[in-house]
Amino acid sequence: EAGVVQSPRYKIIEKKQPVAFWCNPISGHNTLYWYRQNLGQGPELLIRYENEEAVDDSQLPKDRFSAERLKGVDSTLKIQPAELGDSAVYLCASSLAGTTAYEQYFGPGTRLTVT
Amino acid sequence: AQSVSQHNHHVILSEAASLELGCNYSYGGTVNLFWYVQYPGQHLQLLLKYFSGDPLVKGIKGFEAEFIKSKFSFNLRKPSVQWSDTAEYFCAVNRAGGGNKLTFGTGTQLKVEL
Repeated sequence: EAGVVQSPRYKIIEKKQPVAFWCNPISGHNTLYWYRQNLGQGPELLIRYENEEAVDDSQLPKDRFSAERLKGVDSTLKIQPAELGDSAVYLCASSLAGTTAYEQYFGPGTRLTVT
Repeated sequence: AQSVSQHNHHVILSEAASLELGCNYSYGGTVNLFWYVQYPGQHLQLLLKYFSGDPLVKGIKGFEAEFIKSKFSFNLRKPSVQWSDTAEYFCAVNRAGGGNKLTFGTGTQLKVEL
């Protein structure tokens, strides 16, 4: 079984530029999560989708971050414009369903460096 | 808001030494508890989890963790570590009924020396 796929794995951009990250969850998983992991910290949830619906986006900085999951499968997370403080690893995870009983499976992450 | 504390940020052990990594959480209600591991160059993987029942949980690769409700703790243990256990370990919590939102600790970097 293929795991969660993310691309790109690494991205270096200048501040004020836009950037987008892509995630393909495990087949059949209806719940998708985006986390941000700053250096020396644990992952922090940005947004959670159940199918196409964003059911928890309370931690997403909506002035510059946006996300979509148009067909309830792949998802894209965008930052526009990027700031120096956005340098982090962006992790995508998926689970069969959104209740707490279901294990989250993580992708390898995208390491973003903003210069 | 709930929080998770991992007391040891860096741990260095020799092979065959015993391991205990501390984890405490702040939420007073019903919680589910997890330990995730990230080996060098790999993604986060679930090591073990506690939902209910026996507070002593056994996971993969000889790891176990004990949930002590009165202490809000979920410490990870292994009686004899191996060089291949070198990795970063994260404790995580979600609230029962809280929509599967994981709150992670800051992680513990474990290095096992030969």
